[in-house]
Amino acid sequence: GNSVTQMEGPVTLSEEAFLTINCTYTATGYPSLFWYVQYPGEGLQLLLKATKADDKGSNKGFEATYRKETTSFHLEKGSVQVSDSAVYFCSSSNTGKLIFGQGTTLQVKP
Amino acid sequence: DTGVSQNPRHKITKRGQNVTFRCDPISEHNRLYWYRQTLGQGPEFLTYFQNEAQLEKSRLLSDRFSAERPKGSFSTLEIQRTEQGDSAMYLCASRTMTGGHPTYNEQFFGPGTRLTVL
Repeated sequence: GNSVTQMEGPVTLSEEAFLTINCTYTATGYPSLFWYVQYPGEGLQLLLKATKADDKGSNKGFEATYRKETTSFHLEKGSVQVSDSAVYFCSSSNTGKLIFGQGTTLQVKP
Repeated sequence: DTGVSQNPRHKITKRGQNVTFRCDPISEHNRLYWYRQTLGQGPEFLTYFQNEAQLEKSRLLSDRFSAERPKGSFSTLEIQRTEQGDSAMYLCASRTMTGGHPTYNEQFFGPGTRLTVL
């Protein structure tokens, strides 16, 4: 069946550091790919998405590119802020229901 | 409309008791999803509705679990004879299904109901 694997956390960075969170997927066909974020005490929010190969999703300085050849959708940000501290979930979907990775906790220190 | 709401936010129950959770989706959304999230894991799909029809159930949804969406608006998730392994966060999400690929429209999540079974 479909699955999503993310790099394990927690990831601890200093403010303004470069962020990469790796995500790979297995799926039948060509799923849409998503990154969701969960800030402390809040619900899941969509951060960005890509619906076909080579698409780049971007939002709030975060980017991820749909790489069909490596079945990956790595999340990147050039300069993280303390306010980016949260749990990040990579997700895929063929039919509407979402398949999530286990989540990566990011802590950004001033 | 302020988004997807879920009640209660927290529920503590004793093993063997029945519990029911409610989800109120965004009003114009015709698809409604239930997920379960255990500590340190990502959410896992349980079931979904299009309007009042329950179209898919995960094998995670044992016969102790039942979900309804009687008028295509709010939904309830009931767990009978709760077990300690049912302790988790139960998430509800909704989205529109207005044509195009089913994954294109964003799912909006509620804050979840945290269940603790003692």
